[in-house]
Amino acid sequence: RKEVEQDPGPFNVPEGATVAFNCTYSNSASQSFFWYRQDCRKEPKLLMSVYSSGNEDGRFTAQLNRASQYISLLIRDSKLSDSATYLCAVSHGSSNTGKLIFGQGTTLQVKP
Amino acid sequence: ETGVTQTPRHLVMGMTNKKSLKCEQHLGHNAMYWYKQSAKKPLELMFVYNFKEQTENNSVPSRFSPECPNSSHLFLHLHTLQPEDSALYLCASSRDGNTIYFGEGSWLTVV
Repeated sequence: RKEVEQDPGPFNVPEGATVAFNCTYSNSASQSFFWYRQDCRKEPKLLMSVYSSGNEDGRFTAQLNRASQYISLLIRDSKLSDSATYLCAVSHGSSNTGKLIFGQGTTLQVKP
Repeated sequence: ETGVTQTPRHLVMGMTNKKSLKCEQHLGHNAMYWYKQSAKKPLELMFVYNFKEQTENNSVPSRFSPECPNSSHLFLHLHTLQPEDSALYLCASSRDGNTIYFGEGSWLTVV
């Protein structure tokens, strides 16, 4: 089983749609969770950290479910500019070493 | 704009060449990383340095040799690479192992 798994997609949605991505992780000791966005042929950029209580940043909501070991990202009112690959990242174990394990990414295409 | 800069952005090298990738971070972070991103594969952690000491070598072949002279600079020395080593090599940095920030990457093609 991969340490971090994502549905690669692609998710094709119309503008204005709400779309949700899930990411499962295998190491129950993981403490830090993140969503990154990666545009084609660019570096990953931090979208948001994921906190136990859930957090929201504008149209984006991230949630953590420790019991089921998954994190989610919800995008409301999708824009064309949201088209990208979304990577989830999970810390490797409990130590805060910055060792992040990444999923393979979920590709989102927002259509007019 | 990124606080982590990588050079060169693109590199084509033969299998017998020796080349180096350079990374510099301007964020005052203490940890630096090399990741590899191949097509259709997740980002793979290669090396971690904390206060210029290597803390992680993720079973990387010896044809990749990292060097970290100080907390702001990181190199990846390349020699006798294989075509399957062609990938995007991403440098990143963090403060105390928290959120990591990536450079724009170096696209490497081995011919």
